[in-house]
Amino acid sequence: DSGVTQTPKHLITATGQRVTLRCSPRSGDLSVYWYQQSLDQGLQFLIQYYNGEERAKGNILERFSAQQFPDLHSELNLSSLELGDSALYFCASSAEGGATEAFFGQGTRLTVV
Amino acid sequence: GDSVTQMEGPVTLSEEACLTINCTYTATGYPSLFWYVQYPGEGLQLLLKATKADDKGSNKGFEATYRKETTSFHLEKGSVQVSDSAVYFCALRQYGNKLVFGAGTILRVKS
Repeated sequence: DSGVTQTPKHLITATGQRVTLRCSPRSGDLSVYWYQQSLDQGLQFLIQYYNGEERAKGNILERFSAQQFPDLHSELNLSSLELGDSALYFCASSAEGGATEAFFGQGTRLTVV
Repeated sequence: GDSVTQMEGPVTLSEEACLTINCTYTATGYPSLFWYVQYPGEGLQLLLKATKADDKGSNKGFEATYRKETTSFHLEKGSVQVSDSAVYFCALRQYGNKLVFGAGTILRVKS
């Protein structure tokens, strides 16, 4: 158990809909990262938050947004869903620092039908 | 930008065979290097890491050495088991920044 909790584990929704994925980081970790894993794109970094503030942005679509709350949990919002958004979405957390590793949650498998 | 290149799989080995999965990186600074493993149906787990040149990371019989001169971090194991079957990801991380992953290498070990 990595200590990072993601909910839900599975999500099936229709095209055009909006979903929210939730992540609770390890106790004490201030950084939260979101990654998308798909068959064609591999593991792609989406966005990073540090202590409530956006720190870095990767290949995140405009239809996607995220935030980190004062209790440090994070949510990833995906809207106007398309079939191609079907993927495994991972959250990771880390303490700040150069050598500290990131710990990953089990992921949320999103299927858009 | 920073990038990681891994050998393409799948790699299929018999039990007790030697394993090497090649990984090279391109980075502007001095990144930390990691190997993550993903077992079927599960999330990513850190396997080992190295934070500076010539460091050797090791765990569960796996080893990798940070080679700055060849910008490589190859994963090795002397004797694989069926339970090692998984997807292995090489990754780099600059200070306080995101992980950049390779494409992943599928390892299949047959008994």
